[in-house]
Amino acid sequence: EDQVTQSPEALRLQEGESSSLNCSYTVSGLRGLFWYRQDPGKGPEFLFTLYSAGEEKEKERLKATLTKKESFLHITAPKPEDSATYLCAVLRRGYGGSQGNLIFGKGTKLSVKP
Amino acid sequence: NAGVMQNPRHLVRRRGQEARLRCSPMKGHSHVYWYRQLPEEGLKFMVYLQKENIIDESGMPKERFSAEFPKEGPSILRIQQVVRGDSAAYFCASSPPGTRYEQYFGPGTRLTVT
Repeated sequence: EDQVTQSPEALRLQEGESSSLNCSYTVSGLRGLFWYRQDPGKGPEFLFTLYSAGEEKEKERLKATLTKKESFLHITAPKPEDSATYLCAVLRRGYGGSQGNLIFGKGTKLSVKP
Repeated sequence: NAGVMQNPRHLVRRRGQEARLRCSPMKGHSHVYWYRQLPEEGLKFMVYLQKENIIDESGMPKERFSAEFPKEGPSILRIQQVVRGDSAAYFCASSPPGTRYEQYFGPGTRLTVT
């Protein structure tokens, strides 16, 4: 069964304390892995897409990496405004060879204290 | 470029009433997806549509739920005879045609069934 597991469920950091969030997945026919940020009461905000093992993407204090079984979201010197829930999702092949649907993990709730 | 638009943002219905949720995709996007987020649960795929076609409805409950994306106008998610268990946040996402698979989410509609 296709599955996405994120750990930890919650993470508390001091401002400037770097850390990593984990996303492990089992899926047949992976088409891509996505990271989103979700603030309370809002829709997920797209961050990164990773397509193949070894790929890395960076945006400000965030860096996403991908292996054959998991992805990491590294947060370097976080600030309080980085506090949010970070969601990982995988895209599997859809029916008829068309774009498929995203399978989401439950997210990691990050709190960064000043 | 306006993002994905959803309305209403909040919807309150009594048990047995109908709920209609609307989604306008980003300009140039021809694929629409609906997801549901229950409290303490991850986002769950419901249905994937293109103009006038349902591509994948494997996540839709068999009864009371339907979706459409007409040639003109927004995509509609319709829930008939709502029950308390339908209370959730419903998110719409859209993606462009081609091989870029990023899905961009709207702000969501929060449905409360009383």
